[in-house]
Amino acid sequence: QVQLVQSGAEVKKPGASVKVSCKASGYTFTGYYMHWVRQAPGQGLEWMGWINPNNGDTNYAQQFQGRVTMTRDTSINTDYMELSRLRSDDTAVYYCARSSSTFFDHWGQGTLVTVSS
Amino acid sequence: QSVLTQPPSVSAAPGQKVTISCSGTTSNIGNNYVSWYQQIPGTAPKVLIYENTKRPSGIPDRFSGSKSGTSATLGITGLQTGDEAEYYCGTWDSSLSAEVFGGGTKLTVL
Repeated sequence: QVQLVQSGAEVKKPGASVKVSCKASGYTFTGYYMHWVRQAPGQGLEWMGWINPNNGDTNYAQQFQGRVTMTRDTSINTDYMELSRLRSDDTAVYYCARSSSTFFDHWGQGTLVTVSS
Repeated sequence: QSVLTQPPSVSAAPGQKVTISCSGTTSNIGNNYVSWYQQIPGTAPKVLIYENTKRPSGIPDRFSGSKSGTSATLGITGLQTGDEAEYYCGTWDSSLSAEVFGGGTKLTVL
């Protein structure tokens, strides 16, 4: 069965960077785009971008361009999302979500990133 | 401010029916597929409806989706207390080149 297992919670100081991992299993890793979506406390879903695990192509939401980097390691079926220059309003749960062309069919369990001085 | 507009909350009694609307524009809903997600507090979203009207395997037929023009609707019949959750609509926005979501609708089963 398809599983997306994310790395554990992080606490970071403002200005630092965080890198969240998403290990995929149960399907052909290079066959599906991976998206990242975040959710601030008590708020809705916010799309951050996608990576094509087959060739590493990426597409980032405009509000994150310059701060976000999505990468993958095909040898271990893992995607990564790194967000730099963290601010307090980056405190959120970050999800990886597999794309089945027009929708997100499987989600990771989420990773809480807390930005606090 | 979300690109797609949903009512903040809806409520109904067990066994009744409820609908949740999602309003957009020709850049998003009007020309792209809509999906609906259910999020129970503390858990990741789960897809209920994709490509406007289709249900993934395992989703009961109490859940239905429709789309007309620049609006979409999620319907839930035979409400159960376990349906209490936040519901989000989502679609691709061709102008923004971004996936966009509604602000979410909290369903309360009274």
